[in-house]
Amino acid sequence: NAGVTQTPKFQVLKTGQSMTLQCAQDMNHNSMYWYRQDPGMGLRLIYYSASEGTTDKGEVPNGYNVSRLNKREFSLRLESAAPSQTSVYFCASRSYRARGETQYFGPGTRLLVL
Amino acid sequence: GENVEQHPSTLSVQEGDSAVIKCTYSDSASNYFPWYKQELGKRPQLIIDIRSNVGEKKDQRIAVTLNKTAKHFSLHITETQPEDSAVYFCAASAPSNTGNQFYFGTGTSLTVIP
Repeated sequence: NAGVTQTPKFQVLKTGQSMTLQCAQDMNHNSMYWYRQDPGMGLRLIYYSASEGTTDKGEVPNGYNVSRLNKREFSLRLESAAPSQTSVYFCASRSYRARGETQYFGPGTRLLVL
Repeated sequence: GENVEQHPSTLSVQEGDSAVIKCTYSDSASNYFPWYKQELGKRPQLIIDIRSNVGEKKDQRIAVTLNKTAKHFSLHITETQPEDSAVYFCAASAPSNTGNQFYFGTGTSLTVIP
């Protein structure tokens, strides 16, 4: 049981290049999330998917697109990378328990846009 | 939307002392409040959580208190140890038609001095 996995772990892009960050979970969770983490800013939600086939914007969606490929996979795409998108990106999935709604995070992707 | 504020941003304590981190939230519909610990270069990991129908929850040296009326909740760590040094994030979650979003505080960097 790998939990939440992300690829790649590190990436360097030039301004204007595109790339897709991959995320997969094997916990049969319905909800999945993409966050970015910047120093002093905490975790900010980019997009989320409450269930397979649905996606919704979070707090900072501009410059990003997402695809919920199936229940396991949720990808984040940067169509034209900008230096402001330099960040650490975390994917998360959520279980629902009667006594809580726990999020589990992936290991993160460190992205540098030059 | 929800707004979560977290204080202090940095906290240094002597080993064995207690540490308290406080968060406030704005949306009275928020009903789930997790706390995450993030070590340097690692993913955030849940350490304790509380639902809005509970005022206090304790797990060994860690406790969380919730005051719904005042819309604030706090993390208490007793008998701190050097391995407690990390960044701690609070979060608030409220149900919505499109699925639960999580709103994070900006983090508290805790240093436990041996």
